[in-house]
Amino acid sequence: QKEVEQNSGPLSVPEGAIASLNCTYSDRGSQSFFWYRQYSGKSPELIMSIYSNGDKEDGRFTAQLNKASQYVSLLIRDSQPSDSATYLCAVNQGYQKVTFGTGTKLQVIP
Amino acid sequence: ETGVTQSPTHLIKTRGQQVTLRCSSQSGHNTVSWYQQALGQGPQFIFQYYREEENGRGNFPPRFSGLQFPNYSSELNVNALELDDSALYLCASSLAGGATDTQDFGPGTRLTVL
Repeated sequence: QKEVEQNSGPLSVPEGAIASLNCTYSDRGSQSFFWYRQYSGKSPELIMSIYSNGDKEDGRFTAQLNKASQYVSLLIRDSQPSDSATYLCAVNQGYQKVTFGTGTKLQVIP
Repeated sequence: ETGVTQSPTHLIKTRGQQVTLRCSSQSGHNTVSWYQQALGQGPQFIFQYYREEENGRGNFPPRFSGLQFPNYSSELNVNALELDDSALYLCASSLAGGATDTQDFGPGTRLTVL
């Protein structure tokens, strides 16, 4: 079992729709959770961080964390073509180790 | 863009050679982490440096080594290069390396091993 799992996609959504990206993790001791956006050929860019169960909203983005289910998700409302990128889920397992998933490629169709 | 810089941007080496990659942290950040990202994969944690000491290491062999300097800039050294070392190497700086700290990534160095 991989430590952090994501569906590689591509996930295709029409412009204006809600994109839902999911991530599961294996280490119950994980302390913090991050979503990064990575455009092709570029480095990851932090979108959201979440540390406690529940929802956290920032503009069009909402991160959801359920530690009991070891599940974290990212919702993107009113998706735009500029949101087309690979979205990386990252989990800080403590001991200064951050583990990334392989990423989900999102395509927003105009 | 973040304030993290990396050099060089691209590098081509041959198998068996040695390489040094460099990273300058975001102002005020004292922790640097290095990652290897192969094509189509997520970044893999190599190690972290905090105040010039290695502070955590991923599943990479000893031929991957690093340094952090008093100004918190950092180097990644890879000896005896192998073809599988071809990847994008990312450094990320953070304030203190704690569990809730967010990391700012540099633009990366693309290493090709022939």
